[in-house]
Amino acid sequence: ETGVTQTPRHLVMGMTNKKSLKCEQHLGHNAMYWYKQSAKKPLELMFVYNFKEQTENNSVPSRFSPECPNSSHLFLHLHTLQPEDSALYLCASRNQVGGSYGYTFGSGTRLTVV
Amino acid sequence: QQPVQSPQAVILREGEDAVINCSSSKALYSVHWYRQKHGEAPVFLMILLKGGEQKGHEKISASFNEKKQQSSLYLTASQLSYSGTYFCGTENSGGSNYKLTFGKGTLLTVNP
Repeated sequence: ETGVTQTPRHLVMGMTNKKSLKCEQHLGHNAMYWYKQSAKKPLELMFVYNFKEQTENNSVPSRFSPECPNSSHLFLHLHTLQPEDSALYLCASRNQVGGSYGYTFGSGTRLTVV
Repeated sequence: QQPVQSPQAVILREGEDAVINCSSSKALYSVHWYRQKHGEAPVFLMILLKGGEQKGHEKISASFNEKKQQSSLYLTASQLSYSGTYFCGTENSGGSNYKLTFGKGTLLTVNP
């Protein structure tokens, strides 16, 4: 357990389904991130939230919709996904103050779109 | 801009040393190093801020050459537990909107 909890660990969904990924941290961090990790590709930044405000959308398709209701929780709402969206989705958090702290990652949600 | 890591993969025998390099085409504010074992979350190893400092963590250390926009991770007297994929992440901004861009990773395998 890293201190960042992601649920579910595995998810299989059809292209017409709607599902949500959840991320929770009680480390007191003020920044939260969604990353996508595909096979043989680098970790791709999707969204950044600082103090609950979205500060980065890295040209992510609208079928991915993030939500950050408070500084401890982050969601990624999914709808009408494509098979190429199958990947490991990682949530991370960080104490942003001073810029000298590392990220704490969750174990990820392995998403398969069928 | 994605940093470039080299080598892509390295195989060691227990006790041997390795160096993993990370370079960027843009000015760097900081460099992070992470290790990810198969099926697990990436784990933070260390951060280097601009200023050319070198850090150490047990037998793993790193350097940061700000002028060359490069960082190197040094693993000495490798142990079986060092196996995994090592990622460098770079930050180009010193402002409030810190965000990491990761390299493709270096797969390190340590054999007995």
